[in-house]
Amino acid sequence: SQQGEEDPQALSIQEGENATMNCSYKTSINNLQWYRQNSGRGLVHLILIRSNEREKHSGRLRVTLDTSKKSSSLLITASRAADTASYFCATDGPGGSNYKLTFGKGTLLTVNP
Amino acid sequence: EAGVAQSPRYKIIEKRQSVAFWCNPISGHATLYWYQQILGQGPKLLIQFQNNGVVDDSQLPKDRFSAERLKGVDSTLKIQPAKLEDSAVYLCASSWGGGPFEQYFGPGTRLTVT
Repeated sequence: SQQGEEDPQALSIQEGENATMNCSYKTSINNLQWYRQNSGRGLVHLILIRSNEREKHSGRLRVTLDTSKKSSSLLITASRAADTASYFCATDGPGGSNYKLTFGKGTLLTVNP
Repeated sequence: EAGVAQSPRYKIIEKRQSVAFWCNPISGHATLYWYQQILGQGPKLLIQFQNNGVVDDSQLPKDRFSAERLKGVDSTLKIQPAKLEDSAVYLCASSWGGGPFEQYFGPGTRLTVT
């Protein structure tokens, strides 16, 4: 079963615009990660945010986590055509010691030049 | 640093045949994962190894799927006999340990069962 649900399923924007994707999950988590997948580079880790963190930045990426609402968002600023890809959130927990990841279905982002 | 290697990249078989996939993780990574990704969905964990021991195989269809990780390095995933619904991309990933580390994914094997 899939824990995370990304929203929207698909998003199309123009180069230079910002893109926001959301992830909601059902049960409490230890950590949440975002991954990107495109045909050229496969599945690549973007950022990890722990359950006691509220916001993290990495380059043009900004991730927020609201554990009270069981949701996270990924913001990509000043998008580029190369950002075209599917974006997945993945959660681990609750509890446990193996940090097993459960992926959502993903958001397909298309950045038009 | 070399990435996660997988082979073959593509495989087409008929239902009821068997198939095997091979994965070589990043050197030094203790944890190895096999995922199944069906078109339009996110990856689903099939099995997780810590060194050469199984940590989680709760979603592995054990009547037809098997996996091993010899000497805590390379791993093979086998399907016997294959069904039409096994058509998917099989991804191998590795990470430094069993903690909340980022996972490094290989290019995957696209399996088509006809």
